[in-house]
Amino acid sequence: NAGVTQTPKFQVLKTGQSMTLQCAQDMNHNSMYWYRQDPGMGLRLIYYSASEGTTDKGEVPNGYNVSRLNKREFSLRLESAAPSQTSVYFCASSVRTETGPLAKNIQYFGAGTRLSVL
Amino acid sequence: KQEVTQIPAALSVPEGENLVLNCSFTDSAIYNLQWFRQDPGKGLTSLLLIQSSQREQTSGRLNASLDKSSGRSTLYIAASQPGDSATYLCAVFSGGYQKVTFGIGTKLQVIP
Repeated sequence: NAGVTQTPKFQVLKTGQSMTLQCAQDMNHNSMYWYRQDPGMGLRLIYYSASEGTTDKGEVPNGYNVSRLNKREFSLRLESAAPSQTSVYFCASSVRTETGPLAKNIQYFGAGTRLSVL
Repeated sequence: KQEVTQIPAALSVPEGENLVLNCSFTDSAIYNLQWFRQDPGKGLTSLLLIQSSQREQTSGRLNASLDKSSGRSTLYIAASQPGDSATYLCAVFSGGYQKVTFGIGTKLQVIP
């Protein structure tokens, strides 16, 4: 039972390089998310995909692009990495049950990708 | 803008002690609140989700309460164990997939 799988686990980039972080979930969830976690700050939402074929910006989307390749996979791309993008990146997925105040949207997280941009 | 604060930032207790972690939020118009656990170098694991219409949720030795009007939630851990050592995060969902705000967390150490 893999859950949410992220690759790679670690990555070091030079400023200006590009890379794609991969995320796949095997729980048949509709929604997927990308977060970044920085010291002294709570997790911040970069992009999310409410369902296959849709993506939307979160709180900190600048410098990133995403692709919801299919229901299972949601990738995050850094086109030109900057030192400010040094962070731990988490992918999550969820399935929303019910709507409005009774909505449940339990998110399941991957183990993270630790990215350093020099 | 929703702000989530968790107090204390760190906590060290002897094994067997009951403890309370606090989470406060500034905007009471929330859909639900989740408590997560994060182990070093790992992702987050959902512990409890409290819907806005609920007052508390229980799972084993964990009990989470929610008081929307005062903007507060507490996570109660009974009979703490060394295996409970981790960082505990509170996340507030204010509606819509993008309206989620996480606290910085409380780092808990349970000493054998």
